[in-house]
Amino acid sequence: AQSVSQHNHHVILSEAASLELGCNYSYGGTVNLFWYVQYPGQHLQLLLKYFSGDPLVKGIKGFEAEFIKSKFSFNLRKPSVQWSDTAEYFCAVSSSGGSYIPTFGRGTSLIVHP
Amino acid sequence: DVKVTQSSRYLVKRTGEKVFLECVQDMDHENMFWYRQDPGLGLRLIYFSYDVKMKEKGDIPEGYSVSREKKERFSLILESASTNQTSMYLCASTLLYEQYFGPGTRLTVT
Repeated sequence: AQSVSQHNHHVILSEAASLELGCNYSYGGTVNLFWYVQYPGQHLQLLLKYFSGDPLVKGIKGFEAEFIKSKFSFNLRKPSVQWSDTAEYFCAVSSSGGSYIPTFGRGTSLIVHP
Repeated sequence: DVKVTQSSRYLVKRTGEKVFLECVQDMDHENMFWYRQDPGLGLRLIYFSYDVKMKEKGDIPEGYSVSREKKERFSLILESASTNQTSMYLCASTLLYEQYFGPGTRLTVT
């Protein structure tokens, strides 16, 4: 069974600080990787995804993530956060070519102070 | 744009009541999911369905059942609500591994 670990449960930053949220997964096969975001009072929505190809993927609102296969990691980054980035962030993984069922991490709550 | 709607944003029910949570998607997706979201626990899969009348248990199916009579509609049923089912319930449909979520139903069982 696959599992996803998000190391940071709560992160508090000031505006303009850089962000990196950790995500590690355990699964032996080929994977699809996702970051979802839930802004206060809004739907969970896709931030970015990796299926194959360039391991550095760019998403909406200036976010990017890097897939490092040897480390089973898919960390989310943003060079300069804004107050509007305050949200909960979820990493998810599903196996390629198989089940559509993703496994989600427990989430990271990010608070950005203006 | 894919739209996933849920019948209620907020719901308050009494212990022992039968509760129906409805989810509708408008994109003809085959796969639909029900999760519950609790602080510090992330999203936990209750049930999913990969076709009409087909359903599979997720990680925490106890106390829940589901119904999928039409492709666009996936219902979650709490047969006899209990206080430990107080939670946020999220419905999602899937296209090519990407999940599209509804707004969620915050259920309180008193």
